[in-house]
Amino acid sequence: DAGITQSPRYKITETGRQVTLMCHQTWSHSYMFWYRQDLGHGLRLIYYSAAADITDKGEVPDGYVVSRSKTENFPLTLESATRSQTSVYFCASGGDTQYFGPGTRLTVL
Amino acid sequence: QKEVEQNSGPLSVPEGAIASLNCTYSDRGSQSFFWYRQYSGKSPELIMSIYSNGDKEDGRFTAQLNKASQYVSLLIRDSQPSDSATYLCAVKDMDTGRRALTFGSGTRLQVQP
Repeated sequence: DAGITQSPRYKITETGRQVTLMCHQTWSHSYMFWYRQDLGHGLRLIYYSAAADITDKGEVPDGYVVSRSKTENFPLTLESATRSQTSVYFCASGGDTQYFGPGTRLTVL
Repeated sequence: QKEVEQNSGPLSVPEGAIASLNCTYSDRGSQSFFWYRQYSGKSPELIMSIYSNGDKEDGRFTAQLNKASQYVSLLIRDSQPSDSATYLCAVKDMDTGRRALTFGSGTRLQVQP
């Protein structure tokens, strides 16, 4: 199916565990983005990627790691999850306009 | 720090009325502006993009841009209960080649049947 997908859709983990959120797009967009959405803060950029092997920090990158070895995939890793990383995470792709994946709701206990 | 401001609402309008959603932004150099609709528990969905001063119409939606006043608005004509959602204003980051969006916190619209 064409589009942008995220997995898992829901995840519960414990403080200190490593978690990886997956993002896959079939449009061959060069640009991909990770945002988090929290009440009171709206959507905030965590990391973005302009192309395979090119990534850079956004507004709130601390505690997160990204990689992009293939154009279509852009995984986001929480190296040691904290409660403050409980949020809804959205992946997006596109250049001039951005299209969002369905999101991953992450709870860190 | 770049900012995008929206009234959080809720904005309540009767069915069939015009809903007017407003947004201001701080970066005078911004060139690209977007409206997204987000239903509860869902992801943002692009409704409109606008790049030039003036109005842009698409069906029941009209986006209005005034760069001098750093103001973007979205009008929804003949509002329907299915339009009830949170509307997010977004401005594209013009720094370097980031192409990321800065979002407002959204305005919640309620269309009363």
